[in-house]
Amino acid sequence: SAVISQKPSRDICQRGTSLTIQCQVDSQVTMMFWYRQQPGQSLTLIATANQGSEATYESGFVIDKFPISRPNLTFSTLTVSNMSPEDSSIYLCSVVEGLVVTEAFFGQGTRLTVV
Amino acid sequence: KQEVTQIPAALSVPEGENLVLNCSFTDSAIYNLQWFRQDPGKGLTSLLLIQSSQREQTSGRLNASLDKSSGRSTLYIAASQPGDSATYLCAVVGNEKLTFGTGTRLTIIP
Repeated sequence: SAVISQKPSRDICQRGTSLTIQCQVDSQVTMMFWYRQQPGQSLTLIATANQGSEATYESGFVIDKFPISRPNLTFSTLTVSNMSPEDSSIYLCSVVEGLVVTEAFFGQGTRLTVV
Repeated sequence: KQEVTQIPAALSVPEGENLVLNCSFTDSAIYNLQWFRQDPGKGLTSLLLIQSSQREQTSGRLNASLDKSSGRSTLYIAASQPGDSATYLCAVVGNEKLTFGTGTRLTIIP
């Protein structure tokens, strides 16, 4: 199974600033996924990060607010821009392994608090 | 649009009891279903994966079942322990995307 390292594990940020979250996978993967989990809620997909092309964003999420980089097949970053307290959430990156049977694996998450 | 619901939202049981967590989904056209565990403020740990062609999977004290036609899955935990306390999430896979349930927060009382 894929091992995913996510940094930072937590941060407290001032409103109006930006935070970049890093996700490193121990194997090459085609797609990486970024999720948001607001307090007391389940996970919501933000975008799919594809190597060599622009990320694909889900409804309600825009590139200006959540720019994503995917420079190679093992690494991705998510930036939360111009933060407000409503951005306080856990952000998680995920990969899917397998061709016929796909299984999802997650990083340990980044707990973001915006004050 | 796929919707996934988990009942109950929270559950407290004494240590040693067997328990069942429920997951229901609205669209039966799924590839597989996965159960995860999440500790407070942490990421997700994969517990069990059930392919759409399977009816159940077992790992240790955990057993997950899948009834695609009725849109239901259950996670059975035998002989519960305090270390099982966590939030349990189910997720269905369709069109390469996961749709997550609302989660069940489980507390095992020593």
